[in-house]
Amino acid sequence: AQTVTQSQPEMSVQEAETVTLSCTYDTSESNYYLFWYKQPPSRQMILVIRQEAYKQQNATENRFSVNFQKAAKSFSLKISDSQLGDTAMYFCAFMTGAGSYQLTFGKGTKLSVIP
Amino acid sequence: AAGVIQSPRHLIKEKRETATLKCYPIPRHDTVYWYQQGPGQDPQFLISFYEKMQSDKGSIPDRFSAQQFSDYHSELNMSSLELGDSALYFCASSLQQGWGTGELFFGEGSRLTVL
Repeated sequence: AQTVTQSQPEMSVQEAETVTLSCTYDTSESNYYLFWYKQPPSRQMILVIRQEAYKQQNATENRFSVNFQKAAKSFSLKISDSQLGDTAMYFCAFMTGAGSYQLTFGKGTKLSVIP
Repeated sequence: AAGVIQSPRHLIKEKRETATLKCYPIPRHDTVYWYQQGPGQDPQFLISFYEKMQSDKGSIPDRFSAQQFSDYHSELNMSSLELGDSALYFCASSLQQGWGTGELFFGEGSRLTVL
């Protein structure tokens, strides 16, 4: 079974600064996907960024980028130029690439952006 | 663009009652997933359907059942409700079980409160 670990229950960052959220996972699969989801106070789950395990290049979406270290099974999220609207719970999630398409989530990191 | 629609958004029930949640996937999406998120918890996978057939099963209690209909909408039926069933229930949809993109699109969730 896959596990996803987020070791930072809460973090804070000053507006316009950069913050990195950590995530590690454990799997015996070679083909899989990794995700970061954002859950603001409205509670909707919003996809922030996605990484395919077979791609060596780190995914980037505007101010969001990941540092994917496959050998270390690490998948951290970097948020640049933090904005007040980035305040949310962030979940790291894993999906195997074959057979089962269920997402396994970490426990989440609550990020607060301070004005 | 059309998103995943869930109804009702809020539902209050008494213990031992029955509740039904509905999910309307994004048009042309053929796969639906149900997740349960307890207070302060990460989402847990319950069950998924592909082309109206159950495709995967997670931690869904025996008191719960679900199905996907010919128009691809899905319903989650919960009977003999317990206080611990109080949670946010997410539905997500994808095309072809997320194959190729690994991306699920989440609805805004249905909040069930059991009194």
